[in-house]
Amino acid sequence: KQEVTQIPAALSVPEGENLVLNCSFTDSAIYNLQWFRQDPGKGLTSLLLIQSSQREQTSGRLNASLDKSSGRSTLYIAASQPGDSATYLCAVRYPHRDSNYQLIWGAGTKLIIKP
Amino acid sequence: DGGITQSPKYLFRKEGQNVTLSCEQNLNHDAMYWYRQDPGQGLRLIYYSQIVNDFQKGDIAEGYSVSREKKESFPLTVTSAQKNPTAFYLCASSSRTDISYEQYFGPGTRLTVT
Repeated sequence: KQEVTQIPAALSVPEGENLVLNCSFTDSAIYNLQWFRQDPGKGLTSLLLIQSSQREQTSGRLNASLDKSSGRSTLYIAASQPGDSATYLCAVRYPHRDSNYQLIWGAGTKLIIKP
Repeated sequence: DGGITQSPKYLFRKEGQNVTLSCEQNLNHDAMYWYRQDPGQGLRLIYYSQIVNDFQKGDIAEGYSVSREKKESFPLTVTSAQKNPTAFYLCASSSRTDISYEQYFGPGTRLTVT
């Protein structure tokens, strides 16, 4: 069964620290992997998308890595700020029936950056 | 501005009533999706549509219905048969010409049924 796990469920760190969020997946035959941010009561904002052939993607202070062989992805946030406080969701895309691609979602890591 | 709109933002209904959630996009995307989000769980796919007048059941379609009469619109009806309808509902869309199949999300509708 294809499952995505994000540990820890919640994380609180002081402002300015570098931090890593983890995402693990059981089936390594992925198409791509995507990291999202969700603010309370809001929709999802895409942060980074990594294709299965890529090892990492960077956007500003964010860096996402992918290791298919170990079934892991990490989201690195440099120099954290209170505005980074949100829930971060990992979603893995797999080939599915009808030429469609299905997303399997982690439950998210709720990040709190303390001023 | 291109994007996805969902309305209303908050919806309250009595048990036993059907309710319809709106989702509209002006991104010219072919595919649209409905997800349900519950606390502490990942998003779960309810229905998806890859083209007008066609849609497919997702993992938790029971108690829900959809229609896709226009490319821009994909309304979701939560019927009285849905056992636990209180949740946050998210609509998304994607372009079939985008090989990454990246999905773009609306702001969500929070449904409370009492």
